[in-house]
Amino acid sequence: GAVVSQHPSRVICKSGTSVKIECRSLDFQATTMFWYRQFPKKSLMLMATSNEGSKATYEQGVEKDKFLINHASLTLSTLTVTSAHPEDSSFYICSARDPGLSNNEQFFGPGTRLTVL
Amino acid sequence: SQQGEEDPQALSIQEGENATMNCSYKTSINNLQWYRQNSGRGLVHLILIRSNEREKHSGRLRVTLDTSKKSSSLLITASRAADTASYFCATDSNQGGKLIFGQGTELSVKP
Repeated sequence: GAVVSQHPSRVICKSGTSVKIECRSLDFQATTMFWYRQFPKKSLMLMATSNEGSKATYEQGVEKDKFLINHASLTLSTLTVTSAHPEDSSFYICSARDPGLSNNEQFFGPGTRLTVL
Repeated sequence: SQQGEEDPQALSIQEGENATMNCSYKTSINNLQWYRQNSGRGLVHLILIRSNEREKHSGRLRVTLDTSKKSSSLLITASRAADTASYFCATDSNQGGKLIFGQGTELSVKP
């Protein structure tokens, strides 16, 4: 299947700093990528839909000024957690759709573990 | 918002036994998908079943879908210790590809 990478895999930062997470589709072009957040032993919560060349669509309750999403190319979407606080600590996962496939299978990145001290 | 509910939340079985996980959802769907997640890792797509399908097989996996009851089940036959993971259902309601995930079932297969 298609490969999606995330970088970094793990990041520890101080409270108040901003952290950027990258999501890349390695062998296909993704016009749409999705960002999820997952707490320990919990399900994935969709945060936003990232659309190439346009503004991201955020889910209800997700602060767009807090979680900045940029989908500048067909293979890269970035999530920036601004002014991070300890409650932002979580596992962030991205996924991408391959428009060349007829089904709606999404390919997930390996996730980024964010710890805010 | 999460619309899927899965049961059981946790399931512990012996190697060789079958494991059945259930998923219920609330809205109409285009398809339903099952994913697997090993601890602290990304998700792996297992199987997709469309709304006009009732049953689908893939290797040791069998998925059923009952749209009248808005529920699906995932059966893993002849389980192996390597099947130990969390399993999530996710529904696609034809909203630009958005997937809404269930709460997941944590499966433990003991050797």
